[in-house]
Amino acid sequence: NAGVTQTPKFQVLKTGQSMTLQCAQDMNHNSMYWYRQDPGMGLRLIYYSASEGTTDKGEVPNGYNVSRLNKREFSLRLESAAPSQTSVYFCASSEASSNTYEQYFGPGTRLTVT
Amino acid sequence: EDQVTQSPEALRLQEGESSSLNCSYTVSGLRGLFWYRQDPGKGPEFLFTLYSAGEEKEKERLKATLTKKESFLHITAPKPEDSATYLCAVQGYSSASKIIFGSGTRLSIRP
Repeated sequence: NAGVTQTPKFQVLKTGQSMTLQCAQDMNHNSMYWYRQDPGMGLRLIYYSASEGTTDKGEVPNGYNVSRLNKREFSLRLESAAPSQTSVYFCASSEASSNTYEQYFGPGTRLTVT
Repeated sequence: EDQVTQSPEALRLQEGESSSLNCSYTVSGLRGLFWYRQDPGKGPEFLFTLYSAGEEKEKERLKATLTKKESFLHITAPKPEDSATYLCAVQGYSSASKIIFGSGTRLSIRP
């Protein structure tokens, strides 16, 4: 089991460029998430998908779009990158049962926008 | 609004020196409180889930406890390999799938 995988690991963009961050999980989890992590601010939820076919906004959705392609894959798109989107992006998944929502994280994508 | 505050921001200990990390939270009905470990350049790694006040869980040198307002992560006789950032997160019944994270405590253990 690879768990949660993310591509690319590193990316440098110029202001205004677009890109898609890819995420896949092989744990058969229903829910998937995209977070950004900035120094001193902890993990902030961008978008999540509670189940295949659904997506919802999190705390900081502006400037991003997502696609839940199937149960395994959840992508995050930056249509017009801005320097404020320089961050580390983490994808996570969880098996949302009645009791537990523990999330399992990928290794992250380090994005710099110049 | 659900909120999580962790203290201290950073903690430096000598190897073998026990201590505790604090996580204070406010949530409208606690579904679960989570502890994660994060090593530099890596994603968070799940450690524990606590569901109700009075509950305790242990893993090696770590023990997590929970009250109605806060959780503690006790580290007993730490080793240098315990150095990491420890994240606390909560999920309330009103927030569906969303989990709110604190900003973490950076723990450094000197040999």
